[in-house]
Amino acid sequence: AQSVTQPDIHITVSEGASLELRCNYSYGATPYLFWYVQSPGQGLQLLLKYFSGDTLVQGIKGFEAEFKRSQSSFNLRKPSVHWSDAAEYFCAVGSPGTYKYIFGTGTRLKVLA
Amino acid sequence: DAGVIQSPRHEVTEMGQEVTLRCKPISGHNSLFWYRQTMMRGLELLIYFNNNVPIDDSGMPEDRFSAKMPNASFSTLKIQPSEPRDSAVYFCASSLLRTWGETVGAGELFFGEGSRLTVL
Repeated sequence: AQSVTQPDIHITVSEGASLELRCNYSYGATPYLFWYVQSPGQGLQLLLKYFSGDTLVQGIKGFEAEFKRSQSSFNLRKPSVHWSDAAEYFCAVGSPGTYKYIFGTGTRLKVLA
Repeated sequence: DAGVIQSPRHEVTEMGQEVTLRCKPISGHNSLFWYRQTMMRGLELLIYFNNNVPIDDSGMPEDRFSAKMPNASFSTLKIQPSEPRDSAVYFCASSLLRTWGETVGAGELFFGEGSRLTVL
């Protein structure tokens, strides 16, 4: 079955610390991979996407993600977290053959001052 | 550039009342999605339109839910009659999906800010 797993429901980090949010997927076709961020009371905003090519992709707000096909993972990273990064983060997968996106259940990030 | 615009942002209504949520997608996008977000079920796809035509409504919970897209710049999601279990945040998203023959290519989704519905 196709699925996206975000194993961490909540993560707390101190401001200035590094961050890694995990995402694993199970998908039969070539995956298109996305990370979205949702601030309280807001819609989802695209952070970055992977379609093909370089497996390390850069996004907005200093985020990056690495696609590892062998591990079926697309983890999101940031070297130094800012208080404004506190939000919920969603990993999603689509494919060239479908309009359907599968979203993970989200990881809520808390940043300590 | 204007993003996806949804209205109302908040709606509080009583059980049995009709609710209409509205969405204006990004100009030039050919695909529109309605999602529902709850704590229990996360993000659920309700319906997908391509070029104003409903392609997949398998996520619509029941006949009380209906959606229309009369033109490329407007869509509505209607719940009639509403029930307390319909309380959720409803998101509209648009995208530019590229097609090659029979193949549809997934593009990035642009979400509106959502409509928070509370049914008492």
